[in-house]
Formats: sequence, C-alpha cells, structure tokens
Amino acid sequence: QSALTQPPSASGSPGQSVTISCTGTSSDVGGYNYVSWYQHHPGKAPKLIIYEVSKRPSGVPDRFSGSKSGNTASLTVSGLQAEDEADYYCSSYAGNSYVFGTGTKVTVL
Amino acid sequence: QVQLVESGGGVVQPGRSLRLSCAASGFIFSTFTMHWVRQAPGKGLEWVAFILYDGTNKNYADSVKGRFTISRDNSKNTVYLQMNSLGAEDTAVYYCARRTAVGDGAFDIWGQGTMVTVSS
Repeated sequence: QSALTQPPSASGSPGQSVTISCTGTSSDVGGYNYVSWYQHHPGKAPKLIIYEVSKRPSGVPDRFSGSKSGNTASLTVSGLQAEDEADYYCSSYAGNSYVFGTGTKVTVL
Repeated sequence: QVQLVESGGGVVQPGRSLRLSCAASGFIFSTFTMHWVRQAPGKGLEWVAFILYDGTNKNYADSVKGRFTISRDNSKNTVYLQMNSLGAEDTAVYYCARRTAVGDGAFDIWGQGTMVTVSS
C-alpha cells in the first residue's frame, strides 16, 4: 500500500493549463480503471472532480479532464482560474483497498 | 441535503482508545459503502478503511490493521471507527466519505472531518 507518486507542486498563469501526473503500479493504477482525483482546499472537505479515470461528476467544469496510460494517470486543468489554487490528490482502487497519491499543490501565478 | 458529520475527535494519550462517529443524512445510507480517510498535519490523504453497505466486507490500511475497527449501524445512519492502541502517528483529521453513487472506486461525499490528537 505505497502512496501513488505525484509531483509536489505545479503552477500556471490564469488561462493556462497544468497537468499533474500520478504514478502507481500494475496493482493499482495500471490494474483498474478506478482512478479518481480530488481537489482539496485547506480546512475544507475534499471534492471529487474526476472518477473512473476520465469521468466528471455533475457540476464539475469541463476544464478538468483525466486520462491514464499504463501505470500513470494524469489530471489536466485547462483555463486556470484563481479558485483552482488548491491541493490535488489522485486515488486508485487497489483490490479491496484504496491508495491516495502524495498530493500536488497547484499555484495560480 | 446530502451530508456527513463526523464527531468523537479530541486529545487522547498514547496507547488509549477513541471511537469516531459519522452521521449520514439526505441519502439512503444502507445502500452505500462507507470509508474513513485521514490527513496527518502537513501530510497527504491516507485511506484508512471501508465497510460494505451491509457490513459483510471490510478492509483496512496496513498502518491500522489490527488496531482499528470499522462498523456501521444502518438503523442509525451512522458509521464508526474504533481506534485502539493509538500512537502519535495516528494524529490526523479523520474524514468519513461515501462511495460514489455513480460509477465506482471513488468517494463523492465527504464530511468536514474531526481532529484526533495523540499526545501525552
């Protein structure tokens, strides 16, 4: 149950795009299409923004998109806005258990 | 509205026990798998445990296996986390979360969290 690997930080100017990677193994990310992404503003509850690799829950802007190749999943935030500044976590099903990523702090310059 | 409210956190001495509760409202609790997730100060999210909608399947992170027990009372719309033999490494905000209503493998509703501090 090792944490999935994410870059500690990412940044972009308003309107630009940022992509966050999430690397696991064949026992989690690579083995299932159950990768999800969460936006977490400190002091608040995490918010689901992507599930099943690339699906967006109702109400999540289409600026958020997800993909996966092999053992690595990715989240892209297009058209960055000030309110996108937050911590982002990936998560994967790992066979009757779950694992989160190490987290990425996104800064809007 | 759909809501999860955690309670039971506080300051506890090392080696002692604590039980967290998570009260659900606004949805049919008995049909949803529930999870506990924690975040230690300055650290990332860590999945802790899950319990199937009817309680017939549970599992735990290796870091808490044998010390923590997840349970639920569907008549009270509540999920619990019994934490025994607590150590400093268990200091964290503990969130309960609901498995997604649509799709699988994700958590779509989260509580605001309850802080657990293990300190002498």
